[in-house]
Amino acid sequence: AQTVTQSQPEMSVQEAETVTLSCTYDTSENNYYLFWYKQPPSRQMILVIRQEAYKQQNATENRFSVNFQKAAKSFSLKISDSQLGDTAMYFCAFMKQTDSSYKLIFGSGTRLLVRP
Amino acid sequence: DTGVSQDPRHKITKRGQNVTFRCDPISEHNRLYWYRQTLGQGPEFLTYFQNEAQLEKSRLLSDRFSAERPKGSFSTLEIQRTEQGDSAMYLCASSPGGARYGELFFGEGSRLTVL
Repeated sequence: AQTVTQSQPEMSVQEAETVTLSCTYDTSENNYYLFWYKQPPSRQMILVIRQEAYKQQNATENRFSVNFQKAAKSFSLKISDSQLGDTAMYFCAFMKQTDSSYKLIFGSGTRLLVRP
Repeated sequence: DTGVSQDPRHKITKRGQNVTFRCDPISEHNRLYWYRQTLGQGPEFLTYFQNEAQLEKSRLLSDRFSAERPKGSFSTLEIQRTEQGDSAMYLCASSPGGARYGELFFGEGSRLTVL
């Protein structure tokens, strides 16, 4: 069974600074996808960034980038130039790449506070 | 495109009562998911549909839980004989599949409080 672990329950960063959120996962699969989702206070969850395991290049989306280390089963999220609107819960998630399963498995989340 | 909508947003019930939640996905999305989230935790997978077919169901889901998606459109999640441990946020999400693999669009959730 796949598991996703986020070891940082809470983090804090000064506005305009850079912060990195950690995620590790456990799987015996070779082909899969990894995601970071953001859940702002009292708002719905949205996708931040996606990484295909077969791609060596790390995904980037504007101020958000990942450091994907497949051998280490590590998938961290870097937020550059942090903004107040980045304050949210961040969830790392895993999905197998098969035709028979499309479920996402989420970690327990990291609460990020961006300080003005 | 009005997004994923869930109803009701908040339900308070007494232990032993039945409750039903409704989810209306984004219209062109063929995949629909139900997750449960408790305070301070990540979403826990309950079940998912591709069109009207329920393709996967969590082993953690007891027989008191049932979900349907008639005609591949809206979905309902029913909890029978509610228990206090059922208190949680129930999240619905839909997905277009294809190239946007794994991109789930979530609703705002239905919060259940069992007294």
